[in-house]
Amino acid sequence: AQSVTQLDSQVPVFEEAPVELRCNYSSSVSVYLFWYVQYPNQGLQLLLKYLSGSTLVKSINGFEAEFNKSQTSFHLRKPSVHISDTAEYFCAVSKTGGFKTIFGAGTRLFVKA
Amino acid sequence: DGGITQSPKYLFRKEGQNVTLSCEQNLNHDAMYWYRQDPGQGLRLIYYSQIVNDFQKGDIAEGYSVSREKKESFPLTVTSAQKNPTAFYLCASRGTGSVSMNTEAFFGQGTRLTVV
Repeated sequence: AQSVTQLDSQVPVFEEAPVELRCNYSSSVSVYLFWYVQYPNQGLQLLLKYLSGSTLVKSINGFEAEFNKSQTSFHLRKPSVHISDTAEYFCAVSKTGGFKTIFGAGTRLFVKA
Repeated sequence: DGGITQSPKYLFRKEGQNVTLSCEQNLNHDAMYWYRQDPGQGLRLIYYSQIVNDFQKGDIAEGYSVSREKKESFPLTVTSAQKNPTAFYLCASRGTGSVSMNTEAFFGQGTRLTVV
């Protein structure tokens, strides 16, 4: 079975500072990895995903995540955050070809002016 | 526009009453899911359906029921047997065709259920 651990429940950061949201997963089989973002009282939106190939994946709004198989990690980074990045971020994993997606507990990112 | 519609956005229920949450999608996805979200606990899977007329229990199915009579619709009933139903409920769908094209779930905007 797969599991996901998000190492920080809350991350406060000043505007224009870099940020890293940490995610570790466990699985004995090949997996897909995802980061989703959720704004207050809304559903989740896909931010980026790793399926195969290049271990560094990027989103259109400046976030990136790197798949590290040896450390079973998929940390999310952004070199300079904006106030509008304030949201909850979920790391998720699913077995390749599987039907279920397992979500982490979420990390609340607070960007301060 | 294609997407998933959940209704209502807010729902109030008296203790002892059953209530049904609606989820409709026009993405032509085979698989649909219901999650419950509580603060600090992430998303927990209630039920999922891989195809019409078939569904499976997730991790926290007790006190809930579903049906999948149409591909587009996957309603969730919160029964009086659910002891702590106040939560944010999210419906999602995913395609099941080509593996590389159907990997992520698409979510509705959620229904916030409050028991009063």
